[in-house]
Amino acid sequence: DTGVSQDPRHKITKRGQNVTFRCDPISEHNRLYWYRQTLGQGPEFLTYFQNEAQLEKSRLLSDRFSAERPKGSFSTLEIQRTEQGDSAMYLCASSKTGGRDEQYFGPGTRLTVT
Amino acid sequence: GQQLNQSPQSMFIQEGEDVSMNCTSSSIFNTWLWYKQDPGEGPVLLIALYKAGELTSNGRLTAQFGITRKDSFLNISASIPSDVGIYFCAGQKAGGTSYGKLTFGQGTILTVHP
Repeated sequence: DTGVSQDPRHKITKRGQNVTFRCDPISEHNRLYWYRQTLGQGPEFLTYFQNEAQLEKSRLLSDRFSAERPKGSFSTLEIQRTEQGDSAMYLCASSKTGGRDEQYFGPGTRLTVT
Repeated sequence: GQQLNQSPQSMFIQEGEDVSMNCTSSSIFNTWLWYKQDPGEGPVLLIALYKAGELTSNGRLTAQFGITRKDSFLNISASIPSDVGIYFCAGQKAGGTSYGKLTFGQGTILTVHP
């Protein structure tokens, strides 16, 4: 059973550009979460999917952010018109309903906006 | 966003010593989890706690779910160099709009001197 995977691991972009990250959850995990982590802080919740439905979005998720999980498997997180304040580690986690709903994290995508 | 109060912020210990860290919140959580994060990687789940008063061990790690459901403790016995990393507590609520998402502490940076 492979773990959560994220791609790319690192992304450097110029301010104003759009970026897209991908997350592949653990197979058969129907819940998928996106978090953002800045240096010296714990991860902060961004959004959550159960299957293909986006059930909750944080106020941290501005209009420039959009997330999708079209077939209930992998998910993408897009940031439009990136700003320097978007520089952070973007983490994806997955879990399975019906059990203890423990969240397992991927390795993250480190975004640097120059 | 809300974060849990985790202490201490950092610890410098000698190999073989025991370590204790804790996490408190102003609100009640139904599940407490402890994660370890290495630089540039995602958090790895160490222990999950589901009932108030529960005491759970995983090897040299022992964690407790506080009776009030507003705190949790993690102890590491006989520390070894590979225990180095950042330890995060996380709380999870059940039901309502907050269901599923994790709220994290600020982390405890552990350094172990051989």
